Amino acid sequence: EPEVTQTPSHQVTQMGQEVILRCVPISNHLYFYWYRQILGQKVEFLVSFYNNEISEKSEIFDDQFSVERPDGSNFTLKIRSTKLEDSAMYFCASRMGQNEKLFFGSGTQLSVL
Amino acid sequence: AQSVTQPDIHITVSEGASLELRCNYSYGATPYLFWYVQSPGQGLQLLLKYFSGDTLVQGIKGFEAEFKRSQSSFNLRKPSVHWSDAAEYFCAVGARGNTPLVFGKGTRLSVIA
Repeated sequence: EPEVTQTPSHQVTQMGQEVILRCVPISNHLYFYWYRQILGQKVEFLVSFYNNEISEKSEIFDDQFSVERPDGSNFTLKIRSTKLEDSAMYFCASRMGQNEKLFFGSGTQLSVL
Repeated sequence: AQSVTQPDIHITVSEGASLELRCNYSYGATPYLFWYVQSPGQGLQLLLKYFSGDTLVQGIKGFEAEFKRSQSSFNLRKPSVHWSDAAEYFCAVGARGNTPLVFGKGTRLSVIA
C-alpha cells in the first residue's frame, strides 16, 4: 500500500526556534492535511491544503504556523517561533479526492524545550 | 458542536476474547464515521468507515463496527482478539467533501495471554 512519509520522526528544539516538519504525500493525491496530537489528548485538525492554497484551518493554526508545497512533492509545516505547548505528535495526511480514503504518515514527535 | 467521545481510555482483554470499543458522536450533518488504529511508531491506519447503507460495516483485520443512529454510536467489535491487536484506537467523524475529521481521544487496547 502507498505511504505518506514524514521526516524527521523526532525533532527536539529550543523554545523560540523555528522548525519545519516535512511530509511527502502519496504522489497522485490532491488534498493534504496536518493534524497534531498532544500527549494524552485528541488528534486535532490543523490545516487542509488543496490547489496550492489553504482550504481550511483551525483556531490552533495561528500566524506562527504556515504550510507550503514548494516543489510538487513535499508538503511542509513551519512553526515560526516554537512554544512549549507546541510539543506534540504532528501527522501529515493526504488523499486523492474529497471522499477518498485518508492516508496518514507515521508522525513527527516535536519536543520543545 | 461536533465531537467524538470514546469513554474508555484503556481496555485490557485476554487473547482470544471478544472486544468492543465504544464511540459516541455529536454531529450536525449526516456523519461519515471512521475507526483508525495506531500501533507504536506507526501512523494512523484506517480500519473501516461508514458512509451510508448497511449499518454493519466490515473492516480489515477482522474488525467490524455498527452504526446506530438512535444512539449516536459507532462501536468497534472483534470476536477474537489477537496479541497483535494491541494498539491505540481512534474513532473519528466527518462529512461529505473536504471537511476535516474530528477525532476522539482514543482507547488504548492491551492484550494479555
